[in-house]
Amino acid sequence: SYVLSQPPSVSVAPGKTARITCGGNNIGSKSVFWYQQKPGQAPILVVYGDTDRPSGIPERFSGSNSGNTATLTISRVEAGDEADYYCQVWDVSSYHWVFGGGTKLTVL
Amino acid sequence: QVTLRESGPALVKPTQTLTLTCTFSGFSVSTSGVSVSWIRQPPGKALEWLALIDWDDDKYYSTSLKTRLTISKDTSKNQVVLIMTNMDPVDTATYYCARINLVRGVMRGMDVWGQGTTVTVSS
Repeated sequence: SYVLSQPPSVSVAPGKTARITCGGNNIGSKSVFWYQQKPGQAPILVVYGDTDRPSGIPERFSGSNSGNTATLTISRVEAGDEADYYCQVWDVSSYHWVFGGGTKLTVL
Repeated sequence: QVTLRESGPALVKPTQTLTLTCTFSGFSVSTSGVSVSWIRQPPGKALEWLALIDWDDDKYYSTSLKTRLTISKDTSKNQVVLIMTNMDPVDTATYYCARINLVRGVMRGMDVWGQGTTVTVSS
């Protein structure tokens, strides 16, 4: 089955840029989705189709995907961005949705 | 406005069968491109995809749980039901349902989620 690998944690100072990676075999050929989950809340979609943002998601959130790594970039990080972030793909070969293990973003 | 809400028992005993219902509004699961999925999250752990049912009544299941899961829909009631058999304490988790939307050929992912329902498996 397809596996997505994320770093357990990323720390960043307010106002700086956070980059959260998601590794997978030839993930560049798949469409990647990113979700933000704050404590006690349901996840929300922040990026779909590698690079697109749903309405209401700030432009500070952006995505990229190439080769074996997809990246969620959060610019001008704010305290309110502190959350767990999950990457996800639809694995057509197995008809499975696959989540990464999640990355805890800490704003210093 | 699109909303989803999960309901079901908060506590089940080991070996029992769990039935969860996702009641939604603002969309129809018979509309082309629309699916509903179930996802769970054990305490302090990552999200885990469980099952999906689409507008064509196609059903997909997590390989590791396939033998224990059944997903179905009632379009007249705007509900999707997940049945999980032979519950075990390791199945203790928050269970979410989410809409998956395919718009003009573009997969929008799980764009709206319910608030989740917590299920504890204990004797």
